[in-house]
Amino acid sequence: NAGVTQTPKFRVLKTGQSMTLLCAQDMNHEYMYWYRQDPGMGLRLIHYSVGEGTTAKGEVPDGYNVSRLKKQNFLLGLESAAPSQTSVYFCASSYPRGGGPGELFFGEGSRLTVL
Amino acid sequence: TQLLEQSPQFLSIQEGENLTVYCNSSSVFSSLQWYRQEPGEGPVLLVTVVTGGEVKKLKRLTFQFGDARKDSSLHITAAQTGDTGLYLCAGVGNTDKLIFGTGTRLQVFP
Repeated sequence: NAGVTQTPKFRVLKTGQSMTLLCAQDMNHEYMYWYRQDPGMGLRLIHYSVGEGTTAKGEVPDGYNVSRLKKQNFLLGLESAAPSQTSVYFCASSYPRGGGPGELFFGEGSRLTVL
Repeated sequence: TQLLEQSPQFLSIQEGENLTVYCNSSSVFSSLQWYRQEPGEGPVLLVTVVTGGEVKKLKRLTFQFGDARKDSSLHITAAQTGDTGLYLCAGVGNTDKLIFGTGTRLQVFP
């Protein structure tokens, strides 16, 4: 049972380059999220989706775009990478319960370095 | 913006000691979750608390949700080296998003 899979796991970019992180989940979850994790700041929500074809901004959306064309996939794009986007990126999915997002299931993370 | 502050930020203790981690906010949350994250992995859910004043126990871990649903605490009794990790609280606020706290990094030495 794969759960949530992120690719790639590591990537080094030069300033101004673009890239896409792919997240795939096999649990038929409605909600999917992209977070970034930086030292001392916990996890900050970049964008999220409450269903196929929908996306919404989180706390720190600037410089990122997302798409959810298929229910099982959630893509995070960086159009012009900046050093401030050096971070570990986590994808998560959940099935909403009791009016809330429910338990989040996370991938193993993607470490991105922008030089 | 809803913020969750955790304290302490770092905690280094010996096996057998007790500890408490705090998660505080000025905002009300409809529910609050606690996750543990180990190096190189994503966070994993430990518990969800929903009712103000609720106390949940998970073996040596005791979780409490404040009466006003603005704060929470995690108490570990007789810590073990396997408890080492990053502990994150996360609250469900006025939307269906989960807002994470700043994290507490726990190191338990043998």
